[in-house]
Amino acid sequence: EAGVVQSPRYKIIEKKQPVAFWCNPISGHNTLYWYRQNLGQGPELLIRYENEEAVDDSQLPKDRFSAERLKGVDSTLKIQPAELGDSAVYLCASSPSSGVNTGELFFGEGSRLTVL
Amino acid sequence: EDQVTQSPEALRLQEGESSSLNCSYTVSGLRGLFWYRQDPGKGPEFLFTLYSAGEEKEKERLKATLTKKESFLHITAPKPEDSATYLCAVRANTGFQKLVFGTGTRLLVSP
Repeated sequence: EAGVVQSPRYKIIEKKQPVAFWCNPISGHNTLYWYRQNLGQGPELLIRYENEEAVDDSQLPKDRFSAERLKGVDSTLKIQPAELGDSAVYLCASSPSSGVNTGELFFGEGSRLTVL
Repeated sequence: EDQVTQSPEALRLQEGESSSLNCSYTVSGLRGLFWYRQDPGKGPEFLFTLYSAGEEKEKERLKATLTKKESFLHITAPKPEDSATYLCAVRANTGFQKLVFGTGTRLLVSP
């Protein structure tokens, strides 16, 4: 069974440029999460989707970050414009709805962003 | 505010040398404590869920336990392939019940 697929794996951009990350969750998982992980830190939730609906975006910096999950499957996370402090690994995870209770999330390998 | 503190930050063991990792937490109404393993350049991989004090879970050389204030991940006779960062997370009975992760313990097991 295919896991969570993310692209690109690595991205280097100049500050003020836009960047987008894509995530394809495990088939049948209706909950999708975007996390940000800074070096030496644990992941921090940016946004959680239940199907197409964003049910928790309280930690998403809405002035420059946006996300969408069309048709309740794939998702895209966008940053525009990027700042130096946005350098991090952006992790996508998915789970069945029960994952909110069980805590069993399935993570992708992440997209490492470097902003110069 | 919900907080998770893991110790030590890093731990180096010899193969076969058992030890424990600690995760202490402050949360309003614990709804679950979770352990993940993360290899370099990879996303976290789920290990265990613990819901209430006194609960224990085991998987191969790993055993997780939970009290009202902390959790331990015991590693018995570790092997080099157990080298990874171990992350602890909690889910509180507040807000959107999101997972709050600690900063992890980097474990290195030498042959």
